[in-house]
Amino acid sequence: KAGVTQTPRYLIKTRGQQVTLSCSPISGHRSVSWYQQTPGQGLQFLFEYFSETQRNKGNFPGRFSGRQFSNSRSEMNVSTLELGDSALYLCASSTGQGAYGYTFGSGTRLTVV
Amino acid sequence: AQSVAQPEDQVNVAEGNPLTVKCTYSVSGNPYLFWYVQYPNRGLQFLLKYITGDNLVKGSYGFEAEFNKSQTSFHLKKPSALVSDSALYFCAVRGLVGNFNKFYFGSGTKLNVKP
Repeated sequence: KAGVTQTPRYLIKTRGQQVTLSCSPISGHRSVSWYQQTPGQGLQFLFEYFSETQRNKGNFPGRFSGRQFSNSRSEMNVSTLELGDSALYLCASSTGQGAYGYTFGSGTRLTVV
Repeated sequence: AQSVAQPEDQVNVAEGNPLTVKCTYSVSGNPYLFWYVQYPNRGLQFLLKYITGDNLVKGSYGFEAEFNKSQTSFHLKKPSALVSDSALYFCAVRGLVGNFNKFYFGSGTKLNVKP
């Protein structure tokens, strides 16, 4: 079966702009979680969506938002980009129930200049 | 507080030697434990998991991990390291927070296998 697809793979944006990243989970998976990975901070949890509802949220400012569609695809949006938002953004797909683990996408590398 | 600790930022080992990457955890209830590997500019790939049962779990690429409840540890091991095992390794634990499960990741350990 197809894996987790994240688009785009690479993105360069200017400070102050906004960006939307997309994640298509594994077919049948209802949960999508987003993580920010930076060399200094490691993996930081952003939020989790399950069946179109935000189920968990990390400690990020309101500039970071997300949503999930009825087909389980998810988008995350970052508004008013800052230089510090430069990171690898990872999407993790799971069933969200039972003894589940994550399957990760390859990530979107966002560079803010 | 629920957390995962990987005490070593980096582990160096010679090819052919055994390797251990350490992980300890603190979580409420029965933990679900995972190891992931990350190659440069890639997402995390699943290696193995412990849910219940045998404390020694075997996973992908010849890796195994031993769950030790009394020491709250879940160390990753491999009997004979390969240069291609060089990568960043993450330990993760899934625990209950309120009514929902949440994943906690360690800070990662960079494994360097030298020829």
